[in-house]
Amino acid sequence: AQSVTQLDSQVPVFEEAPVELRCNYSSSVSVYLFWYVQYPNQGLQLLLKYLSGSTLVKGINGFEAEFNKSQTSFHLRKPSVHISDTAEYFCAVTRRSGGYQKVTFGTGTKLQVIP
Amino acid sequence: DSGVTQTPKHLITATGQRVTLRCSPRSGDLSVYWYQQSLDQGLQFLIQYYNGEERAKGNILERFSAQQFPDLHSELNLSSLELGDSALYFCASSDSPQAFEAFFGQGTRLTVV
Repeated sequence: AQSVTQLDSQVPVFEEAPVELRCNYSSSVSVYLFWYVQYPNQGLQLLLKYLSGSTLVKGINGFEAEFNKSQTSFHLRKPSVHISDTAEYFCAVTRRSGGYQKVTFGTGTKLQVIP
Repeated sequence: DSGVTQTPKHLITATGQRVTLRCSPRSGDLSVYWYQQSLDQGLQFLIQYYNGEERAKGNILERFSAQQFPDLHSELNLSSLELGDSALYFCASSDSPQAFEAFFGQGTRLTVV
């Protein structure tokens, strides 16, 4: 079985400050990792993904994440946040199983950017 | 706009009733996923279809069922509704069952009273 843990349910941060949203996963097989963002009253939108290759992944809106296999982590970072980054962020892990994806989402982290 | 269309946007119904939620995937996407998002359970994967065939099942109750039609739209049927079924139901689509770069619709908010 696989699981995803997002350690912080809410993260307040001042505008233009850096932020890190933490995600740890567990799986007995190789996984693919994703971060999604959900703005109020909207569906989820893919921020970035790690499939293979470089462990530092860059996504949209200035976000990046680093895959750390030894620590089973995939933390999301942004060096300087904007008010518009206020949203809920979901980490997700998938593994191949029988030719289709089994997807597990974390419980989400609400990022609140304070002016 | 993700290109995934869900209808209706809001639905209020009574306990014991049955409702159908509809999803039109992005043009060309063969894979459709259904998710339930509630405050206490978070985002839960329900079921996946690929080109009309069921491919994966998650935490979907027996009272719930889904199907994907030849034109690739999908419907999620929820029956014998309970108060705890109140949630946001999302549909997502992707162009294959292997690549989970999925595109989400804006969801249907179901309120059971």
